[in-house]
Amino acid sequence: DTEVTQTPKHLVMGMTNKKSLKCEQHMGHRAMYWYKQKAKKPPELMFVYSYEKLSINESVPSRFSPECPNSSLLNLHLHALQPEDSALYLCASSGAGQETQYFGPGTRLLVL
Amino acid sequence: AQSVTQLGSHVSVSEGALVLLRCNYSSSVPPYLFWYVQYPNQGLQLLLKYTSAATLVKGINGFEAEFKKSETSFHLTKPSAHMSDAAEYFCAVTIGGGKSTFGDGTTLTVKP
Repeated sequence: DTEVTQTPKHLVMGMTNKKSLKCEQHMGHRAMYWYKQKAKKPPELMFVYSYEKLSINESVPSRFSPECPNSSLLNLHLHALQPEDSALYLCASSGAGQETQYFGPGTRLLVL
Repeated sequence: AQSVTQLGSHVSVSEGALVLLRCNYSSSVPPYLFWYVQYPNQGLQLLLKYTSAATLVKGINGFEAEFKKSETSFHLTKPSAHMSDAAEYFCAVTIGGGKSTFGDGTTLTVKP
């Protein structure tokens, strides 16, 4: 099973709202990733968690706050977002070698 | 440092024709190379990967790619295009540590 699940599929939020994106995998992977993807562009790496510790933060604004409660779950907490943050947010996971990433279906976020 | 260049942001083929999507990479160490496909409003699906075993790699949906070190290329091919192949294709390179670099993507259109 190479499935990564993400909820919700779609999210509309105002600039003052607080919301969370959730990602789950049951492949025993110990690395998990958040990416942001704008239309017709490649995914941009935001965060990497390795063994539940944040290992890479690509200078993402503090209005995005990641959390890895356990080895299967990854959350992205959103607060005071801007309209330009509207995008597809993708989660991925990879095994011990961290070379092959498996992606979830994404959450389509619209910030009004 | 690593980089990926996908030649041709748009490729159009007729149904039944050969598909050739070009990818060149730059890496200071032996790379892992990947092709992903993305259908509208979906996540990235792994098509195939090169991880230093056989240089000709077969993937899903009839796609294959050949790693050519001398040309620093990893072009994706399929002998006969199908309408369902119309999608966005991304080439990616990883040198470990969880950080992948994606090309800008190629939109494949298949004409009936």
